[in-house]
Formats: sequence, C-alpha cells, structure tokens
Amino acid sequence: DSGVTQTPKHLITATGQRVTLRCSPRSGDLSVYWYQQSLDQGLQFLIQYYNGEERAKGNILERFSAQQFPDLHSELNLSSLELGDSALYFCASSVAGGLNEQFFGPGTRLTVL
Amino acid sequence: AQTVTQSQPEMSVQEAETVTLSCTYDTSESDYYLFWYKQPPSRQMILVIRQEAYKQQNATENRFSVNFQKAAKSFSLKISDSQLGDAAMYFCAYRSAKLGSQGNLIFGKGTKLSVKP
Repeated sequence: DSGVTQTPKHLITATGQRVTLRCSPRSGDLSVYWYQQSLDQGLQFLIQYYNGEERAKGNILERFSAQQFPDLHSELNLSSLELGDSALYFCASSVAGGLNEQFFGPGTRLTVL
Repeated sequence: AQTVTQSQPEMSVQEAETVTLSCTYDTSESDYYLFWYKQPPSRQMILVIRQEAYKQQNATENRFSVNFQKAAKSFSLKISDSQLGDAAMYFCAYRSAKLGSQGNLIFGKGTKLSVKP
C-alpha cells in the first residue's frame, strides 16, 4: 500500500459524458501527478499540481482538466468522453516536485462505451 | 525531448533462473534519474530500483540489479533467482534532474515477464 488513494476503482460511462476522478496523496505530500495508461499510448504524463497550483502539463487534452484543493486532494475531470479515453488513470504523489520519489495510487479504470 | 525504448515486448524465464530486461533512452541532459517499475496483475505501480546518472556504481536491491551504461544510454534490469511473484509488466522510466524540471516520469512501453515453474 503506497498510501495514495484513488476513487473510484472502476468507472463505466458513455460517450459524451463527463466524469471526475479523485486522488488523495500520501500524508505530507504536496505534489500530485496524473498519468494515463492506455494500450496504444502506453503510460503518459498528463498534469502535475504542487500545493494547489498547476506546475507542469504533459499530453493532456483540452477536454481534460484538473485541480488540487486546499486539503491537497486532487481531481481529474474528463469531459465529452470518447471511446479512446478508455484507460487506466494513475495518480502519484511526492513530498515536493522535482527529484522526490513518486508513489503511485492503485489507479481508476475508465471504460467509455 | 527524452524518449525511453524497451525493445522486448515479452520475456520468459524459468523459476530460479536469471533474466535481463533491456532499456535504452535518449536525452541530451547529463543529470537524470532512471527507474524500473513493476506492474503486477493488480495494476499497482511498484518501484523496483532507481539509478542516479551521476553515480557510476550500479544500483542493487536484493535480487534486482541494473547495468547502467551512460555513454551507451542503456539501462538494463537483471533479476536473479526469479520467482513466480516476479511475473509482471516491467517499465523503464526516465526523469530529468535538471534544476527547475517538471519532475514527471517518461515511460517505455513495457516488457511483460512470465516466470515458468
């Protein structure tokens, strides 16, 4: 158990819908990273937040957005969902950004029908 | 941009034997970290081992060791005395150590390791 929690574990929805994935980092960790794992794209970085502020962006679609709240939990919002958005979404946290080790949550499996 | 390549989509090893997983990477940076992550069927991403690029000595964690060849940009993982529980997807990952860098991980496509009893 990494100490990072993600909810829900599984999510099944239809095309065009909007969903919210939630991540609670390890106690004391200020930085949250979101990654997407899909069959065709592999594991890729989406976005990072540090202490409530966006720190870095990767290959995140405009239909996707995220935020980090004052209690440091983070939410990833996916809208206008397409079949290709079906993937495993991981959250990882670290004490700070940069060089500190990232601890991964168990992931949320999103299926878009 | 940095890239990570794992050229072996699948590997197989006999229980108690040794297996080596390959990874190459491309970067123009001199300071960085390299990692091997294990993803068992539970899907959990588990850090196996890490290597700092400035260290010449290869990292070792129990049965897991790496062969880090900086000039060749190669970072292979050796698993000794393979166990059934080692069966998983293994991902090689790169992270910049450059001051002010984003700190996100860049992953290879993975190698699926099977362990035969």
